Amino acid sequence: DQQVKQNSPSLSVQEGRISILNCDYTNSMFDYFLWYKKYPAEGPTFLISISSIKDKNEDGRFTVFLNKSAKHLSLHIVPSQPGDSAVYFCAASANSNAGNMLTFGGGTRLMVKP
Amino acid sequence: DSGVTQTPKHLITATGQRVTLRCSPRSGDLSVYWYQQSLDQGLQFLIQYYNGEERAKGNILERFSAQQFPDLHSELNLSSLELGDSALYFCASSVGPHRTDTQYFGPGTRLTVL
Repeated sequence: DQQVKQNSPSLSVQEGRISILNCDYTNSMFDYFLWYKKYPAEGPTFLISISSIKDKNEDGRFTVFLNKSAKHLSLHIVPSQPGDSAVYFCAASANSNAGNMLTFGGGTRLMVKP
Repeated sequence: DSGVTQTPKHLITATGQRVTLRCSPRSGDLSVYWYQQSLDQGLQFLIQYYNGEERAKGNILERFSAQQFPDLHSELNLSSLELGDSALYFCASSVGPHRTDTQYFGPGTRLTVL
């Protein structure tokens, strides 16, 4: 049972436009969410996170929105650049004493065309 | 470069064999994580250690075991290997054990079981 889902396996966007990557989750215990970016032959790299006490977090060109009632989060990249082409993973964690276990979605491949 | 190193980069072995994957965390990081990325299962959390102690456990098979040594490096041991164990194995590290401690991923070890 996939608790974190990224329903779009791929997304193609023109350079300079907005990229919107979506993520849905089912586990209501998740209260901390993260986005990671992955280039080929490299490990995932942390991008941005959001706690469930917020509905928006911004870092430069990257903004994450959280809709708790819909159990949905999205990552907006504005403006998109060719160097943003990568696989993006959303991840979630639940409040527990069990450490820092992340549950990842399946990833969305973003292609930004010049 | 995340500062997390993993060896070897590639490993090819046969069914029934045993292998050891090694991870050195970023300087100053006390927590180490292991993840498995396979084609059909995505990126899955296996286990977390903090300062030598097991902190959290995911869906890690009984054939797999891990440990974190006093110098903080970690090893993941995979035994009685099966074809389905072929995957990318990532190690990550963070400064502490908590959910808000960013996990930095290594480049991964690609395991192929023939």
